Amino acid sequence: GQQVMQIPQYQHVQEGEDFTTYCNSSTTLSNIQWYKQRPGGHPVFLIQLVKSGEVKKQKRLTFQFGEAKKNSSLHITATQTTDVGTYFCAGPKKKTSYDKVIFGPGTSLSVIP
Amino acid sequence: EAQVTQNPRYLITVTGKKLTVTCSQNMNHEYMSWYRQDPGLGLRQIYYSMNVEVTDKGDVPEGYKVSRKEKRNFPLILESPSPNQTSLYFCASSFERGSSNEQFFGPGTRLTVL
Repeated sequence: GQQVMQIPQYQHVQEGEDFTTYCNSSTTLSNIQWYKQRPGGHPVFLIQLVKSGEVKKQKRLTFQFGEAKKNSSLHITATQTTDVGTYFCAGPKKKTSYDKVIFGPGTSLSVIP
Repeated sequence: EAQVTQNPRYLITVTGKKLTVTCSQNMNHEYMSWYRQDPGLGLRQIYYSMNVEVTDKGDVPEGYKVSRKEKRNFPLILESPSPNQTSLYFCASSFERGSSNEQFFGPGTRLTVL
């Protein structure tokens, strides 16, 4: 069945270093979303990408949707301790369905001050 | 304040004792969903609802029931809980379909089934 994978599973960085997490789907996605979950918290929506090759920026965060719409990445420049948390990608369960949602397993980011 | 609320936040129960986790949203959202979160598996969708009286199974519906009698409420029912349902549960809502609209998550319910 359809799978969404994320790498790496864990990442420890020194504060100020860059960080990238990758999301790969086994099928083409109509769109992809990114969420952040702080330790002990609930997921919070960050962004949605829809177009092939789309790049969006939010301050130090850069999101990219692959040309084939099967992969995406989240890059954080100069990490800060406030970036700590788990980052999830999510998309429609099926190419033409917007009803079911499938999440990746997440990348857990630790930032060492 | 726009929010999704869940109750209880923590629950310890025993195998076979029926329980209900409530979820309510005050944003007039059409779409609501339940997820369970387990280490290394991310969030897995249990059930979702497109609107009142419209519900459908997600990826892991076995052992769960839901109902959507009112737009704001979407309770999750475990008729006969088992230890493998020990997990962290999140309710979420969105304006329309969850995969193409921002989902707002509740604070979570940590369930332990002994």
